[in-house]
Amino acid sequence: KQEVTQIPAALSVPEGENLVLNCSFTDSAIYNLQWFRQDPGKGLTSLLLIQSSQREQTSGRLNASLDKSSGRSTLYIAASQPGDSATYLCAVRPGYDKVIFGPGTSLSVIP
Amino acid sequence: GAGVSQSPSNKVTEKGKDVELRCDPISGHTALYWYRQSLGQGLEFLIYFQGNSAPDKSGLPSDRFSAERTGGSVSTLTIQRTQQEDSAVYLCASRGRGNEQYFGPGTRLTVT
Repeated sequence: KQEVTQIPAALSVPEGENLVLNCSFTDSAIYNLQWFRQDPGKGLTSLLLIQSSQREQTSGRLNASLDKSSGRSTLYIAASQPGDSATYLCAVRPGYDKVIFGPGTSLSVIP
Repeated sequence: GAGVSQSPSNKVTEKGKDVELRCDPISGHTALYWYRQSLGQGLEFLIYFQGNSAPDKSGLPSDRFSAERTGGSVSTLTIQRTQQEDSAVYLCASRGRGNEQYFGPGTRLTVT
């Protein structure tokens, strides 16, 4: 059974710092992995999608890596800003159908 | 519309009543997902549709929950005889030929 964990559960950093969020999954047989952010009281916004054949994806200040063999993905945020404060969720797609989410990392960037 | 929409945005209902939640996916998206997010919890997968078919219903928490999709578009999630533990935000997502899921804003359900 696929399980997804994220560490840390919460993170508080001063503005301008670079930071790394971690996602681990127990079964390396995945179709893809997607990172989302969720703002309080709102839905999810897709950040980056990494296919199983890819090792990383980049969008602006965000870089996500995927190491399927070790069951890990990291989301790197460069030069963090207060607007980055949100909950970050990773989700793995073990097959064509369901998607399994991690519990999220709550990020707070202090001005 | 440009994105996934859900209605109602908020629903307060009395224990024991039935509720129906609606999801309008992005036009042309064939895959549709329902999730539940309880307070302080992660997202719990409920059901997935490919077209009008639901090949995986294993996530539905009880037989009080059912979902349907007609015309390969709108989907409704119905909860019968609601219980207080059903209180949560219900999120819908759709996916087209690409692999990214696009989420709606959710329906916040409160059972009193």
